Order: sequence, then C-alpha cells, then structure tokens
Amino acid sequence: GIQVEQSPPDLILQEGANSTLRCNFSDSVNNLQWFHQNPWGQLINLFYIPSGTKQNGRLSATTVATERYSLLYISSSQTTDSGVYFCDVLRDYKLSFGAGTTVTVRA
Amino acid sequence: NAGVMQNPRHLVRRRGQEARLRCSPMKGHSHVYWYRQLPEEGLKFMVYLQKENIIDESGMPKERFSAEFPKEGPSILRIQQVVRGDSAAYFCASSPWDSYGYTFGSGTRLTVV
Repeated sequence: GIQVEQSPPDLILQEGANSTLRCNFSDSVNNLQWFHQNPWGQLINLFYIPSGTKQNGRLSATTVATERYSLLYISSSQTTDSGVYFCDVLRDYKLSFGAGTTVTVRA
Repeated sequence: NAGVMQNPRHLVRRRGQEARLRCSPMKGHSHVYWYRQLPEEGLKFMVYLQKENIIDESGMPKERFSAEFPKEGPSILRIQQVVRGDSAAYFCASSPWDSYGYTFGSGTRLTVV
C-alpha cells in the first residue's frame, strides 16, 4: 500500500503561534483528507483536498499532488486546537493513514 | 441530517462473548469504512463496504471478525469470542461515493474484561 508519513510527530505551541504540519505520501492518490482527533477522541473532518488549496477559518491546507505532499497550516493557535492531526489517502479503494501529529497548545 | 451514527457508544464484553457494533451512515451515503484505534495508537483501516458488498477487507483480522452492510439497515461489525486485545475504539465513516470525502461517527469504545 501507499506509505504516508506525517511530520513532526509532536508539536508544542504557545497560544497564538502559527504552525505547519506535513503529510508525505509515496504514490499518486485519488483523495487526501485531514482530520483532527480532539482530546475526547472525536474525529472531525477538516479538509478533503486531493489537490489545491482550501481555507476554513484559522486552518488552511495545500496539496501538491505532483510532488506527493500536503501541508496543514494552523494560524493563531488556540488551546482547542490541541489533539492529533491525521492525514489519510485513498487510492483504488485502499486507505492509508499517517501516524498523526500530536499538537499541544499551551495557554 | 443526523450524521454518521454509531451505537453503542460504549460496550463492555467478557472474554469469549460476541460484540456487535452498528453504524448507520449519513442519509444518501452508500459507502462505509470501519477503522480501529488501539490505545495510544493511530487509526488502522479494517474494511470498506458498499451496500451488500465487501470491497476491501485487507485490514480485517482473518479470524473472529466480520462485517456486513445489508441493503436495508446499518452496517454491522461483528467480533466473535472477544479477547482483551480487541479492546479499542472502533470508528465508522461513510461517504456518498468512491474517492469522495467521508465523515466519521463518534465511535464505539469496546472494553473486554
């Protein structure tokens, strides 16, 4: 299957800071998504972004499909942004998840 | 639209019992995915189903686990003769068609005692 690598594995931020999370994948994909798992375990879709750039409030994402990576930007981070951020890719019905980036935002 | 509904939210089973986890996809969604998240680990794909068809079950353990998505009713993940190692959070997601964004349910937390 496709290998998905996320970096960094852990990120500690001061409230108000900006950050960039990266997702590299080993082959072309049909779909890429970013999710946030909050400290209560809920999984929230952030972006469906097989290519291009999207923005939603303080979050934005860019996928460069030809270079096989995606970036998630968090601006003006808040404590509620804490949790694990996963990217996953879909190709030919096969789904592959990255190991996630654990983000801790301190007040 | 009620979203993806999973029940029960929490399930406790004794070793050797059966666990049945239910997932009702969003209205109009005919694709269902099941994932397992072991304690302190990431999400692992288990199975991908369309109505009445298993498309990809490469992530399912070979024994004791089965999944179905009948023409009518929810998708069911069934674990027979549960063992302590089956304790995990099981998430279901649905999408309207292949290669489209999907939405997760709140998960079922299975505890085997």
